Amino acid sequence: KQEVTQIPAALSVPEGENLVLNCSFTDSAIYNLQWFRQDPGKGLTSLLLIQSSQREQTSGRLNASLDKSSGRSTLYIAASQPGDSATYLCAVKGGSYIPTFGRGTSLIVHP
Amino acid sequence: DADVTQTPRNRITKTGKRIMLECSQTKGHDRMYWYRQDPGLGLRLIYYSFDVKDINKGEISDGYSVSRQAQAKFSLSLESAIPNQTALYFCATSDLHEGEKGYTFGSGTRLTVV
Repeated sequence: KQEVTQIPAALSVPEGENLVLNCSFTDSAIYNLQWFRQDPGKGLTSLLLIQSSQREQTSGRLNASLDKSSGRSTLYIAASQPGDSATYLCAVKGGSYIPTFGRGTSLIVHP
Repeated sequence: DADVTQTPRNRITKTGKRIMLECSQTKGHDRMYWYRQDPGLGLRLIYYSFDVKDINKGEISDGYSVSRQAQAKFSLSLESAIPNQTALYFCATSDLHEGEKGYTFGSGTRLTVV
């Protein structure tokens, strides 16, 4: 059974810092990995989707990498802003086509 | 309009009542899912459907039922609500056939059972 772990569970940083959020998974036979953002009490917004054949994806200040062999993905946020404050979740989809979600990293960027 | 719409957005109901949460989508996706989210427990899959005639249980289906009325509609029912079903409920869609574009989530339904 796939297990997905996100470290750290919570992070507080000053505005302007570059930061890295981690997602690890136990079964490397994955189809894809997706990063989401969730604001308090709101739905999940897709940020980046990495197919199993890809190494990274970029969107604006966000960069996600994937290393299947080591069972890891990182989400890099450059020049963080207070508006980046949210919970970030990763979801790993395997052969069953049903994703397994991590519990998220709660990020606070303070001015 | 949102691609995935959930109704109601908020609902307070009494223990023992039957309640239905509805989800509709305009993305034309084949696959639809219901999740619940609880603090500290993350997202847990309740039911999923890969097409109109396909219904599958997720990891926490007890106490819930679903109906896939059409490709675009997937409803979740609590036959007799209990307080530990208080949670944030999400509907999601995906479509393998368009090339994998991942999941799209609705805005959620906050359900409180008193």
